[in-house]
Amino acid sequence: ELKVEQNPLFLSMQEGKNYTIYCNYSTTSDRLYWYRQDPGKSLESLFVLLSNGAVKQEGRLMASLDTKARLSTLHITAAVHDLSATYFCAVDVGGGADGLTFGKGTHLIIQP
Amino acid sequence: NAGVTQTPKFQVLKTGQSMTLQCAQDMNHNSMYWYRQDPGMGLRLIYYSASEGTTDKGEVPNGYNVSRLNKREFSLRLESAAPSQTSVYFCASSWDTYSSFANVLTFGAGSRLTVL
Repeated sequence: ELKVEQNPLFLSMQEGKNYTIYCNYSTTSDRLYWYRQDPGKSLESLFVLLSNGAVKQEGRLMASLDTKARLSTLHITAAVHDLSATYFCAVDVGGGADGLTFGKGTHLIIQP
Repeated sequence: NAGVTQTPKFQVLKTGQSMTLQCAQDMNHNSMYWYRQDPGMGLRLIYYSASEGTTDKGEVPNGYNVSRLNKREFSLRLESAAPSQTSVYFCASSWDTYSSFANVLTFGAGSRLTVL
């Protein structure tokens, strides 16, 4: 059974600081996704990582994938309040036949 | 550009009542999914449909049934609702489960269901 673990599950940080969210998964896969969810809203796709060593960046967010370590990271640089949200990683195994398996999410609060 | 549309957005049921959540997508996607989201649990897959005419169980299928009515529509039915089914339900769709290079899911806005 595929397990996807995120940590931390809750993070409160100040604006201007840097931090990293970690996503570990238990089964070989080279397809990993990051989603963002604002309170009371749906999930929005942020990054798609499709190979070992893949790195994607959008503004102050950067995601990377190490398939050998079964680890993805989401790095936040110089955080701003607008990045406050819940971030989910999800893993795709076996060609996506089973849909995506999601982590429990990291609830991120960025305080002025 | 509606994307994935779910109805209803909110519903309150009594234990034992039945209801159907409707989902439709206008992106010509082949695959559709139903997830539930509970606090501290992330999203868990209930059922999915890799293509029109097929449905398969996900991680938490007990107490639910689904129908892939056509390529656009995928409904989720609770035959006899229980308080444990209180949750937020998300429908999602994607291009092609089996052959796409990336299986990016597009989600609906969610349906908040409370079972008393």
